Amino acid sequence: AQTVTQSQPEMSVQEAETVTLSCTYDTSENNYYLFWYKQPPSRQMILVIRQEAYKQQNATENRFSVNFQKAAKSFSLKISDSQLGDTAMYFCAFIHTGANSKLTFGKGITLSVRP
Amino acid sequence: DAGITQSPRHKVTETGTPVTLRCHQTENHRYMYWYRQDPGHGLRLIHYSYGVKDTDKGEVSDGYSVSRSKTEDFLLTLESATSSQTSVYFCAISEHRGADYEQYFGPGTRLTVT
Repeated sequence: AQTVTQSQPEMSVQEAETVTLSCTYDTSENNYYLFWYKQPPSRQMILVIRQEAYKQQNATENRFSVNFQKAAKSFSLKISDSQLGDTAMYFCAFIHTGANSKLTFGKGITLSVRP
Repeated sequence: DAGITQSPRHKVTETGTPVTLRCHQTENHRYMYWYRQDPGHGLRLIHYSYGVKDTDKGEVSDGYSVSRSKTEDFLLTLESATSSQTSVYFCAISEHRGADYEQYFGPGTRLTVT
């Protein structure tokens, strides 16, 4: 069974600074995807970034980037130039490729951006 | 945004009553999921569907049943609601095609069982 661990329940960062959210996972699969989802106070789940396990290059989406270390089974999210709108809960998630596979979520981390 | 709606968006009900939550999609995605979100637990899978009339249990399926008679609708039923089922419920859809394995979420339903 796959597990996703987000060990930090809360973090805080000053506006315009950089913050890194940690995530580790455990799997015996070789082909999979990793995701970071954002959940702002509106409760809507929003996909921030995704990483295919077969790609060595780290994914980047504007101010968001990941550090994907496949051997260490680590998938951290870096938010640069933090903005007040980044205040949200962030979930790391894993899914292996294949029919009927299911997404496994970490417990989430609450990020607060201070003005 | 993916076309996913959930109804109702908020519901208060009494212990022992049946409750049905509806998820409707306009994306024609094959897979549909029901999750519940509780503080300290993240999102946990209740049931999912991989096609019309094809469903399976997730990790927290006790006390819940589902049905999918059409591609676009996935119903979650609490046969006899209990206070432990007070939660926020999310529906999600996905396709599992090519490089697209991400799930798209509905807006959520807040259910309170008194």
